[in-house]
Amino acid sequence: DQQVKQNSPSLSVQEGRISILNCDYTNSMFDYFLWYKKYPAEGPTFLISISSIKDKNEDGRFTVFLNKSAKHLSLHIVPSQPGDSAVYFCAASPNTGKLIFGQGTTLQVKP
Amino acid sequence: KAGVTQTPRYLIKTRGQQVTLSCSPISGHRSVSWYQQTPGQGLQFLFEYFSETQRNKGNFPGRFSGRQFSNSRSEMNVSTLELGDSALYLCASSLASGYSYEQYFGPGTRLTVT
Repeated sequence: DQQVKQNSPSLSVQEGRISILNCDYTNSMFDYFLWYKKYPAEGPTFLISISSIKDKNEDGRFTVFLNKSAKHLSLHIVPSQPGDSAVYFCAASPNTGKLIFGQGTTLQVKP
Repeated sequence: KAGVTQTPRYLIKTRGQQVTLSCSPISGHRSVSWYQQTPGQGLQFLFEYFSETQRNKGNFPGRFSGRQFSNSRSEMNVSTLELGDSALYLCASSLASGYSYEQYFGPGTRLTVT
């Protein structure tokens, strides 16, 4: 039972354009959401998070949007840079130390 | 501030053996969580320790166990290794205070079971 889903395995965008990564969840008990970036053979790097009491959170080039009624969140990267090329994971937490991860989306930013 | 460290980085074991992995959290972090990453199953939660007590547990068999010491360092043990236990094992630490659940990951231990 996949409680957190990233339906796009891959995404390719041009440098300077916007990258939009999407994530859907099924459990309404989730109240904290996070995005991580991962390179092969390394641990995930925390990017940005959002609690369920908000619908938007920004940090530099990264913005996360949360639509609770649709159980959907998205990560916007503007402008995209070649160094952003990596696997991006969304994760959800039911107010505990347990994170449930999506399967990941591989982002390729072309120069 | 130093990040999460994990030792060893790479390990090769034989089926039936047991293995212990170590994790040192970020200074001041009291919560340590463990995850298993495999190509087929993705990142899966194993367990979380807070103040030396297991606070959350994932859906893994009893062969997977852990503990946390008074300095917040944690160890994970896998007994009677199976080929399917080959994976990247990740440790993450968190302040676990307030309304923030950001977890910061170490580089992982790559376990290969032959």
